[in-house]
Amino acid sequence: AQSVTQPDIHITVSEGASLELRCNYSYGATPYLFWYVQSPGQGLQLLLKYFSGDTLVQGIKGFEAEFKRSQSSFNLRKPSVHWSDAAEYFCAVQTGANNLFFGTGTRLTVIP
Amino acid sequence: KAGVTQTPRYLIKTRGQQVTLSCSPISGHRSVSWYQQTPGQGLQFLFEYFSETQRNKGNFPGRFSGRQFSNSRSEMNVSTLELGDSALYLCASSLVGGTLTGELFFGEGSRLTVL
Repeated sequence: AQSVTQPDIHITVSEGASLELRCNYSYGATPYLFWYVQSPGQGLQLLLKYFSGDTLVQGIKGFEAEFKRSQSSFNLRKPSVHWSDAAEYFCAVQTGANNLFFGTGTRLTVIP
Repeated sequence: KAGVTQTPRYLIKTRGQQVTLSCSPISGHRSVSWYQQTPGQGLQFLFEYFSETQRNKGNFPGRFSGRQFSNSRSEMNVSTLELGDSALYLCASSLVGGTLTGELFFGEGSRLTVL
């Protein structure tokens, strides 16, 4: 059975600091992986996705993620966080066409 | 280009009632997926429709149903509401209809409160 683990429920960083959000997955086949962001009262927005190829994926808003098969991880990174990045972040694995299994999310707080 | 539109945005129902939520996808998108988001269970997949056919279904009881119309608009229905059905119901549309998952464009959701 598939699973997605985001071990950090809540992370607080200072504006301008670097950020890494962790995601570990368990899936029987080759995973297709995603990171989404949800601002308060909003739907989800796709940050980036990994299907195959280069294991370092670039996304929108300056985010990137690295797929590490040996560690079953797909961590999200940003070199310098902006106050507008405060939101909830979800990692997800595809389990069927347009069917995503989401992690429980990591809430990011940014301190000025 | 208009985004995914969900109506109503907020609604309050009582136990035992039924509710219908509507989703209008982005123009040209033929796939519509529905997700339930709760603090306890997180985001859970309900079902996905493509060209008026349900292709995938999550692990929800039969009280949860949906349909898609020829113009790709979709509705989901929950009958015999329970307190635990209180949630944010998110609709997502996608251009891709194959085996991969295309970018899912989410609406802002319909927040259902069951009293």
